[in-house]
This record gives sequence, structure tokens and C-alpha cells, in this order.
Amino acid sequence: EIVLTQSPGTLSLSPGERATLSCRASQSVSSSYLAWYQQKPGQAPRLLIYGASSRATDIPDRFSGSGSGTDFILTISRLEPEDFAVYYCQQYVNSQFIFGPGTKVDVK
Amino acid sequence: EVQLVESGGGLVKPGGSLRLSCAASGFVFRTYTMNWVRQAPGKGLEWVSTISSSGSYIYYADSLKGRFTISRDNAKSSLYLQMNSLRAEDTGVYFCARGDDYGEHDYWGQGTLVTVSS
Repeated sequence: EIVLTQSPGTLSLSPGERATLSCRASQSVSSSYLAWYQQKPGQAPRLLIYGASSRATDIPDRFSGSGSGTDFILTISRLEPEDFAVYYCQQYVNSQFIFGPGTKVDVK
Repeated sequence: EVQLVESGGGLVKPGGSLRLSCAASGFVFRTYTMNWVRQAPGKGLEWVSTISSSGSYIYYADSLKGRFTISRDNAKSSLYLQMNSLRAEDTGVYFCARGDDYGEHDYWGQGTLVTVSS
């Protein structure tokens, strides 16, 4: 069974700073099926990145994804006030979807 | 505009049943895989089930142990989740989400709250 681990659990940063979020899989996975989501309180998740590095529709270019194998990164180049939220990675493997536990990005 | 609207949530006693619905619009429903994802209060996201565009392929989270059944009616552009033998740990917000080419969930509904309590 593949497990996704996200780190850090909480990232405290100021607007304008760079955020680097990690998603690590317990075994090698296909980057084609690695996605990132943003969720704000009381809202549905929003797709940010699919295929590890492709931005979803209408996602600003300050969001970028990278990685392969077991290690994937979501980078927010310069945090805007609306970017403070929880971020989840997701992997599709063996007909199952797995979500990571999430990283909360909050205001320092 | 893609819209997904869930309904059917509510308060149910342990051991009870509930049927959730998701009404889709703004896209050709019959050509997309659909998913259910849930979120317990204050917790992370948990994938529940996926159904292929035609309904031929269906997958469930192992943790559900056969208590839930996903289905769809392409003529009505609707997705369903029949939930039986409900437990307190099934409490949470249930989202329906559209699946795109590599399984990513590209559009989500606003969710419907299910509360299992005596």
C-alpha cells in the first residue's frame, strides 16, 4: 500500500515569501497521476497541478509543481494573501486514489 | 460553466442508510469519470469511490468494506452514492468531483454534510 507523506505539516510564512511544499510517496509512483489541490476553510478543494507539473485551468503561474519517482514539490513563488490555505497531494495507483495528509500554509 | 451540486446529506442514526446525489451541468456528463471524496470534520481528504463514464468500471476505497455503492444516470447527468450500515466515522462532508484524463479531480461540488449520530 502506497502512503503519501507531506511536509511540513504547517508552514508559517509572510506574503511575498516563497513556499516549498513536499509530497513523498512510500514507493515510486507515476508522475502522470500526481496532483495538487488547494483548500480554504469551508470551501471545496481546487485543482492546482496535475501530472506533477501541469497547471490546471486559471491557476496563476506563481504555482509550479515538479518531481518524479517518490519526491514531488509544490512551489508558490511569491505568496499572495489568498494563497494561505491547506494543500493536498494526490496519487492514483492500482485503481485507488490516495491523498496526502496536507500542508497548512499560514501567515507568520 | 461546469457545476456540480450535491444533495441528500443529513442526520442519520448509526446503522442507517442515506443516498447522496450530485447533479452535473455545463459539460457532457456521459463522457467523464466521476468521483466521491469525503472529509471528516477538521480532517483531510479521503477518496471514497470512482465510476467510469459508462459505469462499467467502479472502484471503492478498501476501508468502506462494501457498505457504499456508487452509480450514475447519464440521461439525468447525475451521480449517486448509496451509503448503508452507516457509522459515526462516516460523518463528514461528501464532495462529488469530475475526473479528468489522468484521474485528477478538476471540478468539485460544494459538498453535502452527512452526520451519523444517535
